[in-house]
Amino acid sequence: EAQVTQNPRYLITVTGKKLTVTCSQNMNHEYMSWYRQDPGLGLRQIYYSMNVEVTDKGDVPEGYKVSRKEKRNFPLILESPSPNQTSLYFCASRPTGDPSGYTFGSGTRLTVV
Amino acid sequence: GEDVEQSLFLSVREGDSSVINCTYTDSSSTYLYWYKQEPGAGLQLLTYIFSNMDMKQDQRLTVLLNKKDKHLSLRIADTQTGDSAIYFCARRGYQKVTFGTGTKLQVIP
Repeated sequence: EAQVTQNPRYLITVTGKKLTVTCSQNMNHEYMSWYRQDPGLGLRQIYYSMNVEVTDKGDVPEGYKVSRKEKRNFPLILESPSPNQTSLYFCASRPTGDPSGYTFGSGTRLTVV
Repeated sequence: GEDVEQSLFLSVREGDSSVINCTYTDSSSTYLYWYKQEPGAGLQLLTYIFSNMDMKQDQRLTVLLNKKDKHLSLRIADTQTGDSAIYFCARRGYQKVTFGTGTKLQVIP
């Protein structure tokens, strides 16, 4: 089944403790992206990657890192999480140059206390 | 700018038509999308329209695009309780997709 898999689904952590949210897709998509969803703000892009070893900042990259060492994986790293990073996070992928939209993961609800 | 705006809430009666509206500021959009998000789930692509089209129909869904006014709408005919969800419009530019704030559709039985 074609899908984007995120882990974990839920995570509660403490301020300053490094964490990684994993994202993997099995559709051979070139483009991958991370979004955060907050009430009243919709989805805001954190980082995106157009292919292996090519990443770039989205609209709200502060406090986040990403890497794209393999085509299928695009982990989101929070080196020192803070309470304002409490949010619902989505990973998404799509083929480049194709009008079809994103395939989204099921989301990761992160709480930083 | 790349703002995409939607009203936050819409309530309709079961069987009526729903119209969800979206406006955007950047005229360089290539494709415009509608996504549906059910509770506890990720976003699911409903339909998309190329920026040189005016209308697209897909079963109960009709998308209208007014390029002059930078206005996109999604009409759902014969709205059912299963259509209750948050609906996001999105525009695709050169390298990124920008989403609206989402419209929560409540369907009253």
